[in-house]
Amino acid sequence: GAVVSQHPSRVICKSGTSVKIECRSLDFQATTMFWYRQFPKQSLMLMATSNEGSKATYEQGVEKDKFLINHASLTLSTLTVTSAHPEDSSFYICSASPWGDRGSYNSPLHFGNGTRLTVT
Amino acid sequence: TQLLEQSPQFLSIQEGENLTVYCNSSSVFSSLQWYRQEPGEGPVLLVTVVTGGEVKKLKRLTFQFGDARKDSSLHITAAQPGDTGLYLCAGGSGGSQGNLIFGKGTKLSVKP
Repeated sequence: GAVVSQHPSRVICKSGTSVKIECRSLDFQATTMFWYRQFPKQSLMLMATSNEGSKATYEQGVEKDKFLINHASLTLSTLTVTSAHPEDSSFYICSASPWGDRGSYNSPLHFGNGTRLTVT
Repeated sequence: TQLLEQSPQFLSIQEGENLTVYCNSSSVFSSLQWYRQEPGEGPVLLVTVVTGGEVKKLKRLTFQFGDARKDSSLHITAAQPGDTGLYLCAGGSGGSQGNLIFGKGTKLSVKP
């Protein structure tokens, strides 16, 4: 089945540094990937839609200069949290759909296993 | 703005009991998906329902899509501790990019 790999699974960084999270589709191509943020015991909050070869689309309230997204190939999207602060500590998850390219309205999403970011 | 209201938010039951989780909206969705998420992991798709009134069964789990495609339910029969997790419903908005609108989730705990 379709597999999405997310790396790293956990990262601890100091305040003011930047952290890059990778999201890879291992056995399919994805022109579109999604990045979510999840707070403890809460649902997924869509941050941005990553589009291969073009700029990402950010949800309202998400700072594009803070959360840099690069989707340079059909199998890789990266999210960089710049100048991280303790309030950026969270669980970040990416997803992609192998059928999205065919415009299916009912495409299920395949999720990475998430990245637990802790900013000290 | 399309919203999905999921209830209950938390549910703690004993092994062997039955339960139902609801997902409601005032909007029509082209499809409704249910995911299960365990702590520290990404959500995993359980089922997709696309036709109004559709019922799908997955072992002890029964999923139903409302006739008007505005609501859905997940019923678990004889719950087991392995069913513990966060259950998320997600509505397809019909966009070709495949984005989904998620409910807030139901945290299920099944005690042995």
